[in-house]
Amino acid sequence: DAGVIQSPRHEVTEMGQEVTLRCKPISGHNSLFWYRQTMMRGLELLIYFNNNVPIDDSGMPEDRFSAKMPNASFSTLKIQPSEPRDSAVYFCASSHITGGIVAFFGQGTRLTVV
Amino acid sequence: QQQVKQSPQSLIVQKGGISIINCAYENTAFDYFPWYQQFPGKGPALLIAIRPDVSEKKEGRFTISFNKSAKQFSLHIMDSQPGDSATYFCAASSPGNQFYFGTGTSLTVIP
Repeated sequence: DAGVIQSPRHEVTEMGQEVTLRCKPISGHNSLFWYRQTMMRGLELLIYFNNNVPIDDSGMPEDRFSAKMPNASFSTLKIQPSEPRDSAVYFCASSHITGGIVAFFGQGTRLTVV
Repeated sequence: QQQVKQSPQSLIVQKGGISIINCAYENTAFDYFPWYQQFPGKGPALLIAIRPDVSEKKEGRFTISFNKSAKQFSLHIMDSQPGDSATYFCAASSPGNQFYFGTGTSLTVIP
């Protein structure tokens, strides 16, 4: 298995533009997590899905952020409009809900908003 | 509210020494306690994990010690090597729920 795949790896965009981050979880995993990592705040959970259904989105900073999981093999995190304070590394992780619970992380997307 | 509290924030250890990172939690529903290792530019990677029915788990030079009554767990890295220099995160979760991460410990092993 190729692991959790995120794209793009790096994104530089201008303030006000829409940004879409993509994630392909590990096949067979039924939980998917979006995290944001910054030096100041560490790893923050933004939202997580179980069986493609959003369970907890309380970590989403504001309405500019939205996430979807249209099927078990794909998820997106969208920021519209983007702001410089959104600059961070965004990680996607996937896991099994039950049994051996292990969260596997993707390589991350480094977002820079200028 | 921080669900998992981790200390220290940074740690410097001589090569061959023991690195110890501590975590504490409050939610007794947590039943899975993993540790992650993160190198610069990479995502966190699972290092070792424990469930509360055991007090210790060892994998190579890495050991988790778990104290259920105190709601604390720690990572011990024996014979620390420069290649162990990374950021370490503890975490806690319960089935079907999110992983709560500690704030991370930056470990530097000096040759």
